[in-house]
Amino acid sequence: EAGVTQFPSHSVIEKGQTVTLRCDPISGHDNLYWYRRVMGKEIKFLLHFVKESKQDESGMPNNRFLAERTGGTYSTLKVQPAELEDSGVYFCASSPDRVLPTDTQYFGPGTRLTVL
Amino acid sequence: QKEVEQDPGPLSVPEGAIVSLNCTYSNSAFQYFMWYRQYSRKGPELLMYTYSSGNKEDGRFTAQVDKSSKYISLFIRDSQPSDSATYLCAMTSYNTDKLIFGTGTRLQVFP
Repeated sequence: EAGVTQFPSHSVIEKGQTVTLRCDPISGHDNLYWYRRVMGKEIKFLLHFVKESKQDESGMPNNRFLAERTGGTYSTLKVQPAELEDSGVYFCASSPDRVLPTDTQYFGPGTRLTVL
Repeated sequence: QKEVEQDPGPLSVPEGAIVSLNCTYSNSAFQYFMWYRQYSRKGPELLMYTYSSGNKEDGRFTAQVDKSSKYISLFIRDSQPSDSATYLCAMTSYNTDKLIFGTGTRLQVFP
């Protein structure tokens, strides 16, 4: 079974540019999550999709970030325009129908974003 | 104040040592407690979880939760070089999927 995949693995852009990150969850997983780790800080929750609906977007930092999950399969996270403080590693995770909060969230390898 | 505090280390131990990793937290609503392991350039991988207070053992790993002290621990017995990784504690409350992570402790086990 293929795991969660993320593309690209690295992205280097200049301040003011737009970047789109993609996440392909494990096939059949309805739940998809985005997290972010800024250098030296803890991994922080951004948002949670159930199929194509946003269940919780309380962690989205501001309106420069737009997440979509059309058709309830893959998801994209767009940052427009990017700022220096957006640099970090963006993780995607997915999980099947959840009975308990500890039902596993499977994480992807992350996309390392550098904004110059 | 962070909701979850974790010593970032690094922690360097010889092979075979017992390792103790710890986190403290401030939110009494947390009910589910997890430990993730993250190897370099990889995503976090769930290692163990516990619900409320108590202990849970899985092979060489033991997770403990003390809700009265808001303190959780992960013990690794007979540590191996392959255990070298960053260990992240995470926790959540009953009505949300949002995981709250500690900063992670980097562990190195040398032969």
